[in-house]
Amino acid sequence: KAGVTQTPRYLIKTRGQQVTLSCSPISGHRSVSWYQQTPGQGLQFLFEYFSETQRNKGNFPGRFSGRQFSNSRSEMNVSTLELGDSALYLCASSLAPQGVSNQPQHFGDGTRLSIL
Amino acid sequence: DQQVKQNSPSLSVQEGRISILNCDYTNSMFDYFLWYKKYPAEGPTFLISISSIKDKNEDGRFTVFLNKSAKHLSLHIVPSQPGDSAVYFCAASGNQFYFGTGTSLTVIP
Repeated sequence: KAGVTQTPRYLIKTRGQQVTLSCSPISGHRSVSWYQQTPGQGLQFLFEYFSETQRNKGNFPGRFSGRQFSNSRSEMNVSTLELGDSALYLCASSLAPQGVSNQPQHFGDGTRLSIL
Repeated sequence: DQQVKQNSPSLSVQEGRISILNCDYTNSMFDYFLWYKKYPAEGPTFLISISSIKDKNEDGRFTVFLNKSAKHLSLHIVPSQPGDSAVYFCAASGNQFYFGTGTSLTVIP
């Protein structure tokens, strides 16, 4: 069974640009969550999508947005990039939405975004 | 506000000894707790979990203990092996998953 796939693995952008990251969940998983990991901050929750609907959103500015397609694949977009957006962005999938079923999430290997 | 805290950023242990990683949480409504392990350049992988109705769960060399009154959980690894060297994240489940900041474990051969 293929795992969670995130593309691209690495990305370099400059301030002010925008970026789109992609996540393909495990087959059959309908919940996709996005996290930002920075040193000392752990995994900060961005948002969760289930059946193409955003269920939950973390405390991030509106520059961070996402969507989910009918095949459960998800994209995350960050506009007007800032230096502080440099981080590892992780995607996780699960069968059920967060808080509904006590099933662990399965993570992809992340996209390392560097802002120059 | 960090609802799940791992106050030790790093831990070093000799091979064969016990590793104890700690995690504190603030929300008494959390009903499920998990530990993940993360190697560099890879995503976190699920290690072990525990429901709030239990106080201990064991899986091979890994045991998680939950103290609800203290809002504290710990992960015990015994015996520790060099391959256990990684960053360990604890997480708690409420309406969403809340993650700690991680503890970097180094097992010295």
